Amino acid sequence: DTAVSQTPKYLVTQMGNDKSIKCEQNLGHDTMYWYKQDSKKFLKIMFSYNNKELIINETVPNRFSPKSPDKAHLNLHINSLELGDSAVYFCASSRLAGSYEQYFGPGTRLTVT
Amino acid sequence: SQQGEEDPQALSIQEGENATMNCSYKTSINNLQWYRQNSGRGLVHLILIRSNEREKHSGRLRVTLDTSKKSSSLLITASRAADTASYFCATYNNDMRFGAGTRLTVKP
Repeated sequence: DTAVSQTPKYLVTQMGNDKSIKCEQNLGHDTMYWYKQDSKKFLKIMFSYNNKELIINETVPNRFSPKSPDKAHLNLHINSLELGDSAVYFCASSRLAGSYEQYFGPGTRLTVT
Repeated sequence: SQQGEEDPQALSIQEGENATMNCSYKTSINNLQWYRQNSGRGLVHLILIRSNEREKHSGRLRVTLDTSKKSSSLLITASRAADTASYFCATYNNDMRFGAGTRLTVKP
């Protein structure tokens, strides 16, 4: 009965590789998000999707691309990985876009070597 | 850019004591939310307070909001070892902005 799930939980890869992180929510929510949490625990929003439309796109490198095949999924694809991409990435969802509480996945720890 | 800033960065107390964490922010907000993050886990929503509210309670949690001072506080009463976690405030105004969190340690 997991609400927001992410795979994989851990991802270790070399610089220059391309990788994807998957996210699924079974809450019936309309909006999903991707966050990056750095080593100092700062949590920064990267993207959000509402009904398959990108509604927030922070100034992240275009090597990062969100892909939403349907309302329940928002995957994060990263091209040409760099050392600075190492972080924990969290997926989240909310009932609607806006000021509603968000439900977070368990996170994916990405390590780029 | 970050919006909320939590204070203190770290707090260590004994079980049974109260824990108070503060959050300051810079711009106007629609609401402010508090989240808890256990080590190695995702964030869990605790409480939401709207900009026209001054105080909210949820179990052992009490949140206050002072929009004139652009600050909020989270009080956890009668703390337990299981309350050990990082606590984040998040402000909403067009999008959600999180602070860096307060690391709370409750010693048994």
